[in-house]
Amino acid sequence: NAGVTQTPKFQVLKTGQSMTLQCAQDMNHNSMYWYRQDPGMGLRLIYYSASEGTTDKGEVPNGYNVSRLNKREFSLRLESAAPSQTSVYFCASRSLAGVYNEQFFGPGTRLTVL
Amino acid sequence: GENVEQHPSTLSVQEGDSAVIKCTYSDSASNYFPWYKQELGKGPQLIIDIRSNVGEKKDQRIAVTLNKTAKHFSLHITETQPEDSAVYFCADSYNFNKFYFGSGTKLNVKP
Repeated sequence: NAGVTQTPKFQVLKTGQSMTLQCAQDMNHNSMYWYRQDPGMGLRLIYYSASEGTTDKGEVPNGYNVSRLNKREFSLRLESAAPSQTSVYFCASRSLAGVYNEQFFGPGTRLTVL
Repeated sequence: GENVEQHPSTLSVQEGDSAVIKCTYSDSASNYFPWYKQELGKGPQLIIDIRSNVGEKKDQRIAVTLNKTAKHFSLHITETQPEDSAVYFCADSYNFNKFYFGSGTKLNVKP
């Protein structure tokens, strides 16, 4: 049981390049989330998927797209990377079942855009 | 949009002392308030949470209090230990869809 996994762990891009961050969970969770973490600003929600087949914008969606490929996987795509997207990206998942609603976070992807 | 403010940004205590971190929120509809601990190089991990129909919750050395009228909630850690040193984040949510995080408190527990 790996929990939430993210690939890659580190990535360096040049301005204008594109890439996809991958996230997968093996806990049969319904909801999945993408956050970015910048120094001194906490975590900010980019997009979330309340259940398979649905996605919604979060607090800072501009410059990103997401795909909920199936119940396990939720990917984040940067079509044309900008230096302002340099950040640490965290994926999280949460079960809708029961009364315990903890978000489980992955280990993060550290992205640098030059 | 929702705004969560967290204070202090850094907190240094002596081992065995108590630590208190405070957060305020702006959306009166918020009904779920989790606290996370983040160690260096790792993702945040939930340590305690509280729902809006409860005023206080305790789990061993950790407690959270909620004042809905004043729109603030606090994390209390008693008998602090060096392994409590980390960055702590508060957050709030309405019905578990969007989560809004505070800016974090770096806690240093000195042995």
